Amino acid sequence: GAVVSQHPSRVICKSGTSVKIECRSLDFQATTMFWYRQFPKKSLMLMATSNEGSKATYEQGVEKDKFLINHASLTLSTLTVTSAHPEDSSFYICSALRGPGETQYFGPGTRLLVL
Amino acid sequence: SQQGEEDPQALSIQEGENATMNCSYKTSINNLQWYRQNSGRGLVHLILIRSNEREKHSGRLRVTLDTSKKSSSLLITASRAADTASYFCATDAASGGYNKLIFGAGTRLAVHP
Repeated sequence: GAVVSQHPSRVICKSGTSVKIECRSLDFQATTMFWYRQFPKKSLMLMATSNEGSKATYEQGVEKDKFLINHASLTLSTLTVTSAHPEDSSFYICSALRGPGETQYFGPGTRLLVL
Repeated sequence: SQQGEEDPQALSIQEGENATMNCSYKTSINNLQWYRQNSGRGLVHLILIRSNEREKHSGRLRVTLDTSKKSSSLLITASRAADTASYFCATDAASGGYNKLIFGAGTRLAVHP
């Protein structure tokens, strides 16, 4: 099966600091990766679509400068939450797509708590 | 933006009973997928049904799709306590070739021993 990992699984940081979350496809090359955000007992909200070697496409209402996405290789995408604030506390989940029309494979998520 | 609406929001049943969850969506789709999420964990893909399919089975799961009503249902038969989780439908809103998934609000299923 296709495996996607995320690191770290949990992170606690102080307000004003930046946090980087990694998403890796372990056994396949991902043409596209997606970043989602999930609040407690809520659904997943798509934040951005990331393609290797090009700029990410952000959903309406998501601040590009706040949530920096880098997709440097076909197996790695990173999400950096810059100048984090308590309202950025959430569960961040990535997914990876092997090819158009294929199933998205989801990472286990990263729980971010900003104090 | 959210496309899917799911009902019920929460469902509580006894082991052995069947659980039915419904999902409605608004726009045309290429396919609809169902995912499961245990509390605080990632998503597990359950089943994908394409827009030209009406029904699909996988083990104890049965998914139906009615494109005329823009709705889908997930049936879990002979439920087990281990089926306790949140279940989400997601529609493939293919846009610009990126195959974006738009998730429904989810149904929280509790199966009691």
